[in-house]
Amino acid sequence: EAGVAQSPRYKIIEKRQSVAFWCNPISGHATLYWYQQILGQGPKLLIQFQNNGVVDDSQLPKDRFSAERLKGVDSTLKIQPAKLEDSAVYLCASSSTKSGVGLGTYEQFFGPGTRLTVL
Amino acid sequence: AQSVTQPDIHITVSEGASLELRCNYSYGATPYLFWYVQSPGQGLQLLLKYFSGDTLVQGIKGFEAEFKRSQSSFNLRKPSVHWSDAAEYFCGLLTGGGNKLTFGTGTQLKVEL
Repeated sequence: EAGVAQSPRYKIIEKRQSVAFWCNPISGHATLYWYQQILGQGPKLLIQFQNNGVVDDSQLPKDRFSAERLKGVDSTLKIQPAKLEDSAVYLCASSSTKSGVGLGTYEQFFGPGTRLTVL
Repeated sequence: AQSVTQPDIHITVSEGASLELRCNYSYGATPYLFWYVQSPGQGLQLLLKYFSGDTLVQGIKGFEAEFKRSQSSFNLRKPSVHWSDAAEYFCGLLTGGGNKLTFGTGTQLKVEL
């Protein structure tokens, strides 16, 4: 079974530029998550999709961050314009269990991440 | 609000020595707890999880963790550490009906040969 794919793996941009990250979850996984991991911290959830609908985007800085999952499969996360404090690893994860429907495994499978450096 | 605390930022152990990584949580309902490991340049890999039942859970790579409700803890242990265990370890708390996974700040493990 193929894992969660992310691209690019690394990106360096200057502040005020735009950047986009792509994620392809494990086949059949209905739930997709984007996390931001700043150096020295644990991953922080930015947004969660259930199929192509947003479940939770309460911690997404909506003035500059946007995300979409148009066909309920792969997803893109965009930052426009980028700030220095956006330097981080952006992790994508997916899981197969629907929220609120039993616990199942609720295991989230993580991709390798995209390391963003904003200069 | 829920939170996860990993008190140790860095831990160094000798290869072959035992290991215990601490995790404390704060949550008003039944916690669902995870331990993940992250090697350099890699995503997070699940080591083990606790939902209910036996409070001592076994995971991959010889790791185990014990849930202690009275202490709000879920500490990770391994009886004999291998050099390949050097990585960063994250404790996670699942809440919101399975919607929200909150991580601690992580513990960086160094293994001395």
